[in-house]
Amino acid sequence: NAGVTQTPKFQVLKTGQSMTLQCAQDMNHEYMSWYRQDPGMGLRLIHYSVGAGITDQGEVPNGYNVSRSTTEDFPLRLLSAAPSQTSVYFCASSFSSGGYEQYFGPGTRLTVT
Amino acid sequence: GENVEQHPSTLSVQEGDSAVIKCTYSDSASNYFPWYKQELGKRPQLIIDIRSNVGEKKDQRIAVTLNKTAKHFSLHITETQPEDSAVYFCAASKAGTASKLTFGTGTRLQVTL
Repeated sequence: NAGVTQTPKFQVLKTGQSMTLQCAQDMNHEYMSWYRQDPGMGLRLIHYSVGAGITDQGEVPNGYNVSRSTTEDFPLRLLSAAPSQTSVYFCASSFSSGGYEQYFGPGTRLTVT
Repeated sequence: GENVEQHPSTLSVQEGDSAVIKCTYSDSASNYFPWYKQELGKRPQLIIDIRSNVGEKKDQRIAVTLNKTAKHFSLHITETQPEDSAVYFCAASKAGTASKLTFGTGTRLQVTL
C-alpha cells in the first residue's frame, strides 16, 4: 500500500491564481481530512469528508473548496490564492469514526507571493 | 467548538531524563485523545492514543494519562533518547467525528547529550 499520497510536494503561486492540491489513499478509508499547519499554530482542520459524496467544513474553510467523488480521492481547491494561504497542507485519512488513527500524507508546502 | 491548549511550547531535557507534556481541552464530549510526533520536514505520526474509558495507557517508554474530570491529559516519555527530539502534538475529538481532530499548538522537545 502507498498509504496517503499528496501532490505536488512544493508549489509557488501568485496572488489570485487557483490550483488544486491532490490527495489519494489506497486503504479504503471512509474518512478523509485536510489540515493546514502554520508555525506556532499546530494543525487546523480545513474540510473533511465522511464518505464519497459527503463533505463538511472544518475550523478554517474560507478560500478552499473540496469534493469527494470517489473513496480514494479528496482534492483541495484554492479558488483565488492569497498570501495568508501560505502554509503546509496535510491530507489525512482514517478507517472510520470512534477514535481510529488518522494517517497523514507527506504534505504540500505552498507559498503564495 | 473544541479548544486544546498545550504546554510547554518548548522543552529541553538531558538524555535519560523524563519529559512531560500537558494538554487541556474544553469540550467535555471529547473522548479520543491522540498524540502525534512530527520530525522536521516530515508528516505527523501517531505515537499513542487514549480513549475516555481509560485513565492511563503505556507503550514501552511512552505513557499517556487522562483526567476527564479536570479535562486534561499528559504525555510522559521516560529514559529520553536523542531520537525523541521532535515536535509533539496532542489532539482531541468526539466519537463519530474521528476526522475532526482539534490539535494543540505543539511542544518542541530537545533531548541533549
